[in-house]
Order: sequence, then C-alpha cells, then structure tokens
Amino acid sequence: SQQGEEDPQALSIQEGENATMNCSYKTSINNLQWYRQNSGRGLVHLILIRSNEREKHSGRLRVTLDTSKKSSSLLITASRAADTASYFCATEVSGGSNYKLTFGKGTLLTVNP
Amino acid sequence: DVKVTQSSRYLVKRTGEKVFLECVQDMDHENMFWYRQDPGLGLRLIYFSYDVKMKEKGDIPEGYSVSREKKERFSLILESASTNQTSMYLCASRRRGAEYYGYTFGSGTRLTVV
Repeated sequence: SQQGEEDPQALSIQEGENATMNCSYKTSINNLQWYRQNSGRGLVHLILIRSNEREKHSGRLRVTLDTSKKSSSLLITASRAADTASYFCATEVSGGSNYKLTFGKGTLLTVNP
Repeated sequence: DVKVTQSSRYLVKRTGEKVFLECVQDMDHENMFWYRQDPGLGLRLIYFSYDVKMKEKGDIPEGYSVSREKKERFSLILESASTNQTSMYLCASRRRGAEYYGYTFGSGTRLTVV
C-alpha cells in the first residue's frame, strides 16, 4: 500500500534555481526519509527526519516535517545538472521490533544547464 | 561504506522458469528487503527478513518466495516466472536497531520475462 505521495510528479528547472518537492502521507510514522534515484540505478539515501523533528539540513538539502498535516517537503538549493534524478519520500512505521519503509511514486526532477 | 550487491544488472528469463535473484551485503546487517519498482507504481515491498532463516511478507508477496540461509545473503525466488513479473528488483539492507539511519540499496536487477 502506498503511504507517501509526492507532488509534483515532474519538475523542470534551470541550473541555479531551487527545487521544492512535497510529500504527503496518511498514518503516524517513526520517521520520513528522502531518497534519490538516477536513471535505472538503485536508490541513494539522502536524509532522514524523525517524527519529533521539524526541520533538518544536509548540505544543499533542507527537509521539513509537519506531522499535524502529515506532510514533508524537500528543498534543494542552487540546483545543478547533476541533481537531475527521481526523488522519493518514504515513511517508516514500526511493527514490534521490525520497521517497514513505504515509498511514494516519486518526483522526476530535471535540472537544465 | 556498506555495500549491497545484486548479482545481475539485467536478466531475461522465459515464462515458467524458476528464477533466483541474489543479494549480498557486506556489513553484517540483520535486516534485508526486496522491493520491486514499476513505472507509475513506485517501489513496493515484496518480502523482508530480520534475521537468518526469518522472513516476513511485504505488500505483494504473491508469486515470490525468499531464502535467508546466511546473514549476508537474501535471495528472491520466482517459483514460475510470468510476464507480469517483468520489473526492476531492488534489494536493501539495514542494521537492526538503526531505525534512524537510512537503508542501503543495491543497484537493482532489471528482469524481463518473455
């Protein structure tokens, strides 16, 4: 079952601009994670934000989490052509001693040189 | 760095064949996962394992089974491959108790069933 839903499905910007992607989810979570996938490759973990955190930074990435609205956003500042990829949010919930990570369908980001 | 290795990048199999997809991780992680990825559907969890010989069904286990005989290796088995199992398969792992760390993914196996 899909938990996270990204918006927009596709985003095209110019190099140097900022890119914002949003994610909404339905149930209570332990944490929310963002991943990047270059075409035809595996996923790379970018950043994780815990349910009791509101904002987190990592380099040019800024993630916010609003648990009351069940939503998150990923901001990539000063984008580069190399940022062109699909970006997925994933929510993790606990099930006893095990955790389950559920992905959205992704946002395809194109950064034009 | 943790490495998750999937044995094949591309695989072509015939309908009805038994197919094995192999995944090996080198950092002693307890938890391992198999996802499939399809256009418009995102990633969906097939099976996961939280220890040797342990397995749990994910969201779409039908038509698949798994094997975890050694901690570092998690195999996905398609008992009788069908064309609707043509997909990208992704393996991932994470250490138990590391719930505030991300998963490490392999590069994926693109399986085509003809």
